[in-house]
Amino acid sequence: AQTVTQSQPEMSVQEAETVTLSCTYDTSESNYYLFWYKQPPSRQMILVIRQEAYKQQNATENRFSVNFQKAAKSFSLKISDSQLGDTAMYFCAFMTPEGGSEKLVFGKGTKLTVNP
Amino acid sequence: GAVVSQHPSWVICKSGTSVKIECRSLDFQATTMFWYRQFPKQSLMLMATSNEGSKATYEQGVEKDKFLINHASLTLSTLTVTSAHPEDSSFYICSAGGGVWRNQPQHFGDGTRLSIL
Repeated sequence: AQTVTQSQPEMSVQEAETVTLSCTYDTSESNYYLFWYKQPPSRQMILVIRQEAYKQQNATENRFSVNFQKAAKSFSLKISDSQLGDTAMYFCAFMTPEGGSEKLVFGKGTKLTVNP
Repeated sequence: GAVVSQHPSWVICKSGTSVKIECRSLDFQATTMFWYRQFPKQSLMLMATSNEGSKATYEQGVEKDKFLINHASLTLSTLTVTSAHPEDSSFYICSAGGGVWRNQPQHFGDGTRLSIL
């Protein structure tokens, strides 16, 4: 079974600084996808970034980028120029299309607070 | 992007009643819908996966008779919490995928806050 581990329950960062959230996963599958979702206080789940396992290049979306280390099964999220609106719970998630279910497996989350 | 509508957003009801939550994909056909439960300050826990026209697949430990899931069309799935009790109070979130969105990120509804008195 796949597992996703987020070892940082809470983190804080000053506005405009950079922060990195860690995520590791365990799987025996070779074809899979990794995601970071953001859940602000409104509790809406917002996709931040995605990475396909077969792609070596790290995904980037504006101020958000990942460091995908496939051999180490690591998938960290870097937020540059942090903004107050980045305050939220961040969940790392894993999905494999194998078996046809496409279920998401979530980590326990990291609560990020951006301080003014 | 794809939109998933979940209704109601908040419901309060008395213990023993049944509550139905709807999840609609507004602009695409969702062959698969997922139902999650989230306790305060915790992660999302998958309850079940539903495929259009077939029975839902429940995760281990989820009571099938307590949480009835129906996926009658490609745009609508419902979760009915039967004979709800205070311990069923939680935040329930649906997501949709499959079809043209196969192998794509799931699209989430805004969630339903269920409070059982």
